Amino acid sequence: SQTIHQWPATLVQPVGSPLSLECTVEGTSNPNLYWYRQAAGRGLQLLFYSVGIGQISSEVPQNLSASRPQDRQFILSSKKLLLSDSGFYLCAWSTGQGGNTIYFGEGSWLTVV
Amino acid sequence: AQSVTQLGSHVSVSEGALVLLRCNYSSSVPPYLFWYVQYPNQGLQLLLKYTSAATLVKGINGFEAEFKKSETSFHLTKPSAHMSDAAEYFCALGEGSNYKLTFGKGTLLTVNP
Repeated sequence: SQTIHQWPATLVQPVGSPLSLECTVEGTSNPNLYWYRQAAGRGLQLLFYSVGIGQISSEVPQNLSASRPQDRQFILSSKKLLLSDSGFYLCAWSTGQGGNTIYFGEGSWLTVV
Repeated sequence: AQSVTQLGSHVSVSEGALVLLRCNYSSSVPPYLFWYVQYPNQGLQLLLKYTSAATLVKGINGFEAEFKKSETSFHLTKPSAHMSDAAEYFCALGEGSNYKLTFGKGTLLTVNP
């Protein structure tokens, strides 16, 4: 069966510090990968998605970047965190296209202080 | 453009009462529709999915949803609420060749003893 892991689960970082959140998917090949963010009162926001290695689509301009160095690995990064980057970050995966179910990881809480 | 509207950001019911969470969508093509549940500090979990096979979809934990094309709705119901149903619920829309889902802003369900 397929599983998704993301880490760290909780992170407290000072403003201006770098960020790296990692996500891996097991049990499937060539998944579509996603990074979402939930900020208080703002629902679920799609940040990046990837349909293959090296193929990253950004949904909103921001202080963050994403990379996909391997087929089942997705990394969310920042060179310098802002207070507004605080939130709950969710990695997710799906297969194929067109209405396929997206499966979510357990999430990572980021607090920028 | 596709969109999802969840009516009511917060719904409160008594234990044993009917749960009704409303979702309306806008799509130019036949939609795929989803309901997800999110418990505090966790990722989203799929409750059920509509893919045009049947208009009444049964999901996990006793939930079901009915697709009504004429009303562009996909409301989620459960005959009898349980305390463990307290969570946030998200309706989502997928389309044809699109890798992404469009999420509603979520409805927080509170169950009172």
